[in-house]
Amino acid sequence: EVQLVESGGGLVQPGGSLRLSCAASGFTFSRDWMSWVRQAPGMGLEWLANIKQDGSQRYYVDSVKGRFTISRDNAKNSLYLQMSSLRVEDTAVYYCARDGFAAALNDWGQGTLVTVSS
Amino acid sequence: QSALTQPASVSGSPGQSITISCTGTSSDVGGHNYVSWYQQYPGKAPKLMIFEVSNRPSGVPDRFSGAKSGNTASLTISGLQAEDEADYYCSSYTTSSTQVFGGGTKLTVL
Repeated sequence: EVQLVESGGGLVQPGGSLRLSCAASGFTFSRDWMSWVRQAPGMGLEWLANIKQDGSQRYYVDSVKGRFTISRDNAKNSLYLQMSSLRVEDTAVYYCARDGFAAALNDWGQGTLVTVSS
Repeated sequence: QSALTQPASVSGSPGQSITISCTGTSSDVGGHNYVSWYQQYPGKAPKLMIFEVSNRPSGVPDRFSGAKSGNTASLTISGLQAEDEADYYCSSYTTSSTQVFGGGTKLTVL
């Protein structure tokens, strides 16, 4: 069974930094693209970034380019999202997801809440 | 990278059919067939319901179907059931190798 478990969320001040982690199990992590998606309170889903199996390609939505960095450690079956220069509008539940065929997000974690507030 | 356009809400009675539209541009929905649909219950993670416009993952009932014409994709749920009441999101791969979601549609089963 595929399991994705996010961690690292919490309260951070505007301008601060935070690193989210996603622990993967139940599949061969190194064979799949992985993504981060977020959902602000009461709002819709926003795709943030994804990363190729070997980390050689990464893509970002414009709103986080230059502030967020996606990375992975295949030896640890882990996905990361380093977030810096955080803004109040970055407050959201952050999900990691496993990319599948045709860019579909086959599996999702339960999410971790990031709150940016002074 | 503007969000795809979905109706904010749709409703239907048990047993009826409903269709949710998802309109984009030639840079996303109209550019290829990498359109997916997700179901999300309150407080829960999204679940993939349709991929590549019209394909259902294993375990998704065949009451759920997808289609696309030009820059607009659609999700149809036939034989509506109470358990179908949820939020539904479309997404599309883009010509920039990113993804974009729709704003989401709240389905109410009357």
